[in-house]
Amino acid sequence: QVQLQESGPGLVKPSQTLSLTCTVSGGSISSGDYYWSWIRQPPGKGLEWIGYIYYSGSTYYNPSLKSRVTISVDTSKNQFSLKLSSVTAADTAVYYCARLKIYSGFDYWGQGTLVTVSS
Amino acid sequence: EIVMTQSPATLSVSPGERATLSCRASQSVSSNLAWYQQKPGQAPRLLIYGASTRATGIPARFSGSGSGTEFTLTISSLQSEDFAVYYCQQYNNWPPVLTFGGGTKVEIK
Repeated sequence: QVQLQESGPGLVKPSQTLSLTCTVSGGSISSGDYYWSWIRQPPGKGLEWIGYIYYSGSTYYNPSLKSRVTISVDTSKNQFSLKLSSVTAADTAVYYCARLKIYSGFDYWGQGTLVTVSS
Repeated sequence: EIVMTQSPATLSVSPGERATLSCRASQSVSSNLAWYQQKPGQAPRLLIYGASTRATGIPARFSGSGSGTEFTLTISSLQSEDFAVYYCQQYNNWPPVLTFGGGTKVEIK
């Protein structure tokens, strides 16, 4: 059974960089059938796709966040990571990592981690 | 960017009744559409992909239909565990720029 687990600070100061890591277990991040993704959800609001990465390192980002987002992968650790720079209160959200199956949907999700941007 | 619009925002339904949720795309996404269910405090769960294919373990009371720009999720007989928020999401033109709809909350009438 594939499992994903987010980790990282729950509190980030404005203007700093938010950094999260997703650890994948029960399956290889190097499988060619999947993209590894970050999605966020502000409190009480809907879902927003942030971006995804292929095991080869190819990345695709939400155009509205592209200038501030970097997603990277470490296949040796079966992990992928998110960095979001210059954060503001508007970036406060539950951040999910998820597996995107090609020509399908997000079939496995992490439990999510709340990141609050506040001084 | 493809904009996904869901309606209604809230749907009040009695247990055992049928629920019909709509999702519209601002341009054609062919059948590249998924539906998710999200309960409070939980991650979303994939229900439907390819507009009409149920994901693994999803009960047969959930069905999806449509193509192009108009899509429907039908829950044939609502069970207590089905009261939740439902999101549609398109994944057209692989590798896609992904977008979600705003969600429909299905509540107990």
